[in-house]
Amino acid sequence: EIVLTQSPGTLSLSPGERATLSCRASQSVSSSYLAWYQQKPGQAPRLLIYGASSRATGIPDRFSGSGSGTDFTLTISRLEPEDFAVYYCQQYGSSPPNTFGQGTKLEIK
Amino acid sequence: EVQLVQSGAEVKKPGESLKISCKGSGYSFTSYWIGWVRQMPGKGLEWMGIIYPGDSDTRYSPSFQGQVTISADKSISTAYLQWSSLKASDTAMYYCARQGVLAATPFGYWGQGTLVTVSS
Repeated sequence: EIVLTQSPGTLSLSPGERATLSCRASQSVSSSYLAWYQQKPGQAPRLLIYGASSRATGIPDRFSGSGSGTDFTLTISRLEPEDFAVYYCQQYGSSPPNTFGQGTKLEIK
Repeated sequence: EVQLVQSGAEVKKPGESLKISCKGSGYSFTSYWIGWVRQMPGKGLEWMGIIYPGDSDTRYSPSFQGQVTISADKSISTAYLQWSSLKASDTAMYYCARQGVLAATPFGYWGQGTLVTVSS
């Protein structure tokens, strides 16, 4: 089973700043099958990024993903008030389970 | 429009059985994998398993294998998650979510969640 470790656990930033979230895998993620999700309180998660760097439909271009192998990054170039939420990475390329990271909470400073 | 509509909140006692549902619409139900994700109170997301309704191919996380059963009825475009004997530790929000046509695809669409509370 691939274990995903996200850092930091909590990130405190102000609107307009740049956010960089990390996801590290315990072994290589095949074919960059790595996704990022956003979850706001009381809501279901929403897919932001798949294939490590492709934005899902309707996702603003301030969200970008990068990385390969075991190290992946989600970058939000300029934070909007609605971006403060919890973010999860997920690998979906290996045999089950398609594990999630433990999440990074992005909070307003 | 793709939609996944889950059944309503449940309150159960330990030892009781339960089956929650997830009805898909707006797409070919038999052609896409559907999965279940657990979120315990104040915690993160846990991948439980997926099913391909077209042939009922089902894959479980080792953590949930034997603890739950995932099934689907393609005649009514509905996936299910069931327990034979609930425990207090099963208290959580459960989401169904749709992947793509291949097993190696992310969850692009999500249901609204079903809150299961198990308490004596």
